[in-house]
Amino acid sequence: AQSVTQLDSHVSVSEGTPVLLRCNYSSSYSPSLFWYVQHPNKGLQLLLKYTSAATLVKGINGFEAEFKKSETSFHLTKPSAHMSDAAEYFCVVTAYNFNKFYFGSGTKLNVKP
Amino acid sequence: EAGVAQSPRYKIIEKRQSVAFWCNPISGHATLYWYQQILGQGPKLLIQFQNNGVVDDSQLPKDRFSAERLKGVDSTLKIQPAKLEDSAVYLCASSLGSGIQETQYFGPGTRLLVL
Repeated sequence: AQSVTQLDSHVSVSEGTPVLLRCNYSSSYSPSLFWYVQHPNKGLQLLLKYTSAATLVKGINGFEAEFKKSETSFHLTKPSAHMSDAAEYFCVVTAYNFNKFYFGSGTKLNVKP
Repeated sequence: EAGVAQSPRYKIIEKRQSVAFWCNPISGHATLYWYQQILGQGPKLLIQFQNNGVVDDSQLPKDRFSAERLKGVDSTLKIQPAKLEDSAVYLCASSLGSGIQETQYFGPGTRLLVL
C-alpha cells in the first residue's frame, strides 16, 4: 500500500533563510514521487518529480528534493526563502497501476520578512 | 497551452440540493481525475477516467456522487443530494496517459459550501 506522511503541518522561516519541508513515504513498489505547491485560491502546481532517474531532483523556483530509499524520504529544500514561496506544499506518491496519486496532508510554509 | 478549466469556481447550496461541476482537461490528455479536498487535508481521489472509461472509482460515494466523461473529453461531477460534509474544493486534473511517471495537471478547483 502507498502512503505519505508530511511531518510538519506548519513551517515558518525568515526571508533569505533555508527551507526544509519533510516527507516520508511508504510504497510496495519503486515509487514515483512529486511535490506540488498550492497558492491561495490557485490550482496545484508541479514543483518537481522523481521517477527513478537521478536521486537529486531540481525543480522550479530554486527548489530541489532528494530521494533517499534507505530512509524512505523525499524532503523538499530551498537554499533561500522568498516571500512568494509562502503557500501550502503537498508531497505525493504514486501507485504502480494507473498513476493513482496519494497526497500527504500538506505543509503550510510561512515566510517572514 | 491552455490549462485545465473548471466551472463554476464557487457554489453555495442548501443540503439535499443537487449540484454539478464541469471540467475541460488539457487538449489531448487521455486521463482525467476528480479529487475532493476538504479543508486542512490533502486531495483525495474520487474517480479516474481513461478516455471515457472509469478505471478507479473506489472512493466515490456512489449513493450520491456520479461522474461521466462523454466522448473522452469534458467531464461532469454531480452530487445529489448534497450533505454538509460535502463542503470542500473539488479539483479536476488531467494527464497525457496513466503511466506511473505521468504528471497530473490541476485546474483551479470549485469551492462548494453546503449549508
